[in-house]
Amino acid sequence: KQEVTQIPAALSVPEGENLVLNCSFTDSAIYNLQWFRQDPGKGLTSLLLIQSSQREQTSGRLNASLDKSSGRSTLYIAASQPGDSATYLCAVRLLQGGSEKLVFGKGTKLTVNP
Amino acid sequence: NAGVMQNPRHLVRRRGQEARLRCSPMKGHSHVYWYRQLPEEGLKFMVYLQKENIIDESGMPKERFSAEFPKEGPSILRIQQVVRGDSAAYFCASSPLATISYEQYFGPGTRLTVT
Repeated sequence: KQEVTQIPAALSVPEGENLVLNCSFTDSAIYNLQWFRQDPGKGLTSLLLIQSSQREQTSGRLNASLDKSSGRSTLYIAASQPGDSATYLCAVRLLQGGSEKLVFGKGTKLTVNP
Repeated sequence: NAGVMQNPRHLVRRRGQEARLRCSPMKGHSHVYWYRQLPEEGLKFMVYLQKENIIDESGMPKERFSAEFPKEGPSILRIQQVVRGDSAAYFCASSPLATISYEQYFGPGTRLTVT
């Protein structure tokens, strides 16, 4: 059974700091991995999607890496801003027996202090 | 192109009532997924549907919960005889029939409160 773990559960940093969020998964048979952002009481915003054959993806100040063999992904946020404060979710996409689904971690709650 | 739409955004039901949650996928998308987020928990897969077919309902509770995605109209997640433990945010996602990225696009969610 696939399990996704995110460390740390919460993180508080001063504005301007570079930071790394970690995600690990137990089964390397994934189709892709996606990082989302969730603001309180809101839906999910997709940040980056990495296909299983890729090593990293970049979008602006965000960089996500994937090491499928070791079951790890990281989300790097450069020059953090107060507006980056949110919960960041990692999810792996599974294809099994004609079905597909996302398995989510519990998230890392990020607070960027001005 | 409008995103995934869900309504209502907030729903309050008394114990024992029925809750109906609606999801309209993005235009051109024929795959719909429902996820539930309990307080302080991660999102959990519930069900995967294509038009007129339930593909995978392995995440659905065995009783009181049902889902459909008819040929016309939105996908419906139905919860009968709601209990307090059903209080959660319910998210719908959709994806197109064929795409290189196979990304799921999420709606804003319906927050169900059972009193």
